[in-house]
Amino acid sequence: DAKTTQPPSMDCAEGRAANLPCNHSTISGNEYVYWYRQIHSQGPQYIIHGLKNNETNEMASLIITEDRKSSTLILPHATLRDTAVYYCIGNNAGNMLTFGGGTRLMVKP
Amino acid sequence: GAGVSQSPRYKVAKRGQDVALRCDPISGHVSLFWYQQALGQGPEFLTYFQNEAQLDKSGLPSDRFFAERPEGSVSTLKIQRTQQEDSAVYLCASNAVPIVISGTEAFFGQGTRLTVV
Repeated sequence: DAKTTQPPSMDCAEGRAANLPCNHSTISGNEYVYWYRQIHSQGPQYIIHGLKNNETNEMASLIITEDRKSSTLILPHATLRDTAVYYCIGNNAGNMLTFGGGTRLMVKP
Repeated sequence: GAGVSQSPRYKVAKRGQDVALRCDPISGHVSLFWYQQALGQGPEFLTYFQNEAQLDKSGLPSDRFFAERPEGSVSTLKIQRTQQEDSAVYLCASNAVPIVISGTEAFFGQGTRLTVV
């Protein structure tokens, strides 16, 4: 899996967009970028993944730079329940998910 | 059930005791993974099953750890002669397709928190 780098922590005001960056400069052409989050005392929850194009689903949007060396997860209207550790993972077929330290997002009222 | 189910949710074991942790994956899911998560750390891979075949056990920390999935559905992670360093959350995940197929997502259970005293 590609090595990913994320800031250890971020704050976001409730109702505002949360933009979580991830650097994956060594990502290979067939590696997807996955985002998972882990709310306290729960298992990791899948959020979104993408290869080259930007992706959007009911939870979030994923913006991948054209050179694929970095990406941003966007939670458009953060709520208190979005407080969690967010993991960015580069993964291709045949490899298990390799979790790094993630970003601890704190959504504040 | 709709999701991955793990039991027990919490387990306290005396040092030296054997424990068995159960995972019920999403029905029909081919791939099953076990991860170990120490306090304050991200999950770390232990082992992978494709149906009943254990294709990768490179992450198992010692020969005291053993996993099985005899009928390709329910899986059990067994730890023999538990030690304090085994205290962690053990997570199970399943995926609908074999791991060689890219671009699919794995779904995790709530985990079993093991405390060895």
